Amino acid sequence: GAVVSQHPSWVICKSGTSVKIECRSLDFQATTMFWYRQFPKQSLMLMATSNEGSKATYEQGVEKDKFLINHASLTLSTLTVTSAHPEDSSFYICSASLAGAEITDTQYFGPGTRLTVL
Amino acid sequence: GENVEQHPSTLSVQEGDSAVIKCTYSDSASNYFPWYKQELGKRPQLIIDIRSNVGEKKDQRIAVTLNKTAKHFSLHITETQPEDSAVYFCAASRNDYKLSFGAGTTVTVRA
Repeated sequence: GAVVSQHPSWVICKSGTSVKIECRSLDFQATTMFWYRQFPKQSLMLMATSNEGSKATYEQGVEKDKFLINHASLTLSTLTVTSAHPEDSSFYICSASLAGAEITDTQYFGPGTRLTVL
Repeated sequence: GENVEQHPSTLSVQEGDSAVIKCTYSDSASNYFPWYKQELGKRPQLIIDIRSNVGEKKDQRIAVTLNKTAKHFSLHITETQPEDSAVYFCAASRNDYKLSFGAGTTVTVRA
């Protein structure tokens, strides 16, 4: 149980284009989803917190107009990297926590999306 | 915000020996401390977690200890095996469930 999927697993795009990444909780409803970015050989950095039906909360230094987050249902959150540039190339990972569970702090991670911007 | 420091950054152990990774945190309000194992290009996988109302937790070869007073927690892996080789991350969160991660420890188990 508690499986999180991401699509696509990898994407290569040209500079200036936008890329959408989907994060789905497959067998549970997620109260909250989180988006992280991980550069090579570095740790995971939280970008934003996504709650179903409300606006995402962005961490300091993360441009909300560049990284658009939509959480339309309890099983789907999307991250759109707008006008991508080479410095946006990274491993983007989402996580989800259970809705309605007694303990909701456990996060289940998706497999990640490798974004390469040429 | 929360600051989590993790040591060492790399750890090489002989198969069968124990490995210990230590983390400290800055926010006394943090109450949830998970440990994740990440293999190259893969997702982080939760291997064990501990909450602030518990001082120690064990799951087979893996154990975690928490010292709330000193604000540090440690991961202990006994009888290490080659498949334990990976990057291990500690993390901490408060009631807002946002995880702050340590920098990671690359563990290599020598056969």
